[in-house]
Amino acid sequence: ETGVTQTPRHLVMGMTNKKSLKCEQHLGHNAMYWYKQSAKKPLELMFVYNFKEQTENNSVPSRFSPECPNSSHLFLHLHTLQPEDSALYLCASSQQPGLEPDTQYFGPGTRLTVL
Amino acid sequence: GQNIDQPTEMTATEGAIVQINCTYQTSGFNGLFWYQQHAGEAPTFLSYNVLDGLEEKGRFSSFLSRSKGYSYLLLKELQMKDSASYLCAVRDSNYQLIWGAGTKLIIKP
Repeated sequence: ETGVTQTPRHLVMGMTNKKSLKCEQHLGHNAMYWYKQSAKKPLELMFVYNFKEQTENNSVPSRFSPECPNSSHLFLHLHTLQPEDSALYLCASSQQPGLEPDTQYFGPGTRLTVL
Repeated sequence: GQNIDQPTEMTATEGAIVQINCTYQTSGFNGLFWYQQHAGEAPTFLSYNVLDGLEEKGRFSSFLSRSKGYSYLLLKELQMKDSASYLCAVRDSNYQLIWGAGTKLIIKP
């Protein structure tokens, strides 16, 4: 029970589709994160939001578009994806960057397959 | 560049002890985390080290040596449910987490 939920858990989409991933945290945290996890590779940080403001964009292609309407919700909008974008997309939240230890708590992820 | 190294896979026997090593080269250091991730599930927080030494939490312990850029996770009295991947992550000088690729631990009866 992590307090971070993600929907959908599984998603299959074609390269021309548009879809959105949703993340919600019930922990009262102020920071939220999107990660990409590919098999046998380290977690790749994609975006960071702190108090609803985007503070990090790690050179992510524009076909991924994040949205953070409030500190509890985070979306990842997907359009014209490529097969190599197939991966597990994890959402995480933390109390506040810089506030030690600022442990990140993860949702269960969305398993995305791009055909 | 920044790098976290940990073994890809380890095998151990139920009831035994296993040590998973992690070495890191990062720009700055602001803490090291260990997470457990069962297949198809979320990574869950296990331990945090920011000072040198051993942190013990039940059957799990984590050790840090900042001068050597080295940490290990020690799991005692292994149970079948401990079969999972164990992720090492270091917070760098920009307060970003740098992740290892994870160690898949297989527990055999």
